Amino acid sequence: EVQLVESGGGLVQPGGSLRLSCTASGFDFNKYSMGWVRQAPGKGLEWVANIEPDGNNKFSGDAVRGRFTISRDNAKNSLYLQMNSLRDEDTSVYFCARYNYDDYVAFDVWGQGTLVTVS
Amino acid sequence: SYELTQPPSVSVSPGQTVSITCSGQQLDNKNINWYKQKPGQAPTLVIYQNNMRPSESPERFTGSNSGKTATLTISGTQAMDEADYFCQAWDMYTWVFGGGTKLTVL
Repeated sequence: EVQLVESGGGLVQPGGSLRLSCTASGFDFNKYSMGWVRQAPGKGLEWVANIEPDGNNKFSGDAVRGRFTISRDNAKNSLYLQMNSLRDEDTSVYFCARYNYDDYVAFDVWGQGTLVTVS
Repeated sequence: SYELTQPPSVSVSPGQTVSITCSGQQLDNKNINWYKQKPGQAPTLVIYQNNMRPSESPERFTGSNSGKTATLTISGTQAMDEADYFCQAWDMYTWVFGGGTKLTVL
């Protein structure tokens, strides 16, 4: 079964740091781009960052650039999001998602999300 | 920065057809994806590349892109289709989501 499981969320004070993890299973992780998408309480989806299969190319949104860093460890089938200088407005559920260039050019597999509360 | 605009809410009666729109600049050179999200759940892909449907997505879901507006149409709407729907596009190495449309099946 293709699956993504996020972990690492929690309560953190403004200005603090947190590292999210996403463990993939059921597919060849090292062949897919991956991304993080967040959703503030009661709000819509907001793209955070993407990383290409070999980890060499990374892209991030304006709201997090310079504060958040996406990375991956293909040997561990894992995706990470290092979040620094956290702000109240970063409070969201953070979803890990597979970006499938070959079949859909879309996010085709999503985790259940992990909640980050900055307060 | 690029933006996609959706109506906040749409309602439909069971069995009827409903359309959800997504507008943005230069849509004619963009591929639009559509995601469905139920409360407390992760999004799922229902339409990709404007009008293609993943095998898991019911046939009653169709998509189109006229160049000015992208549209998700649900035919024979069922109660289980009540959810939030988001359009999404790629623009200059950013992945952009519309604000979402809450579909209510009355």
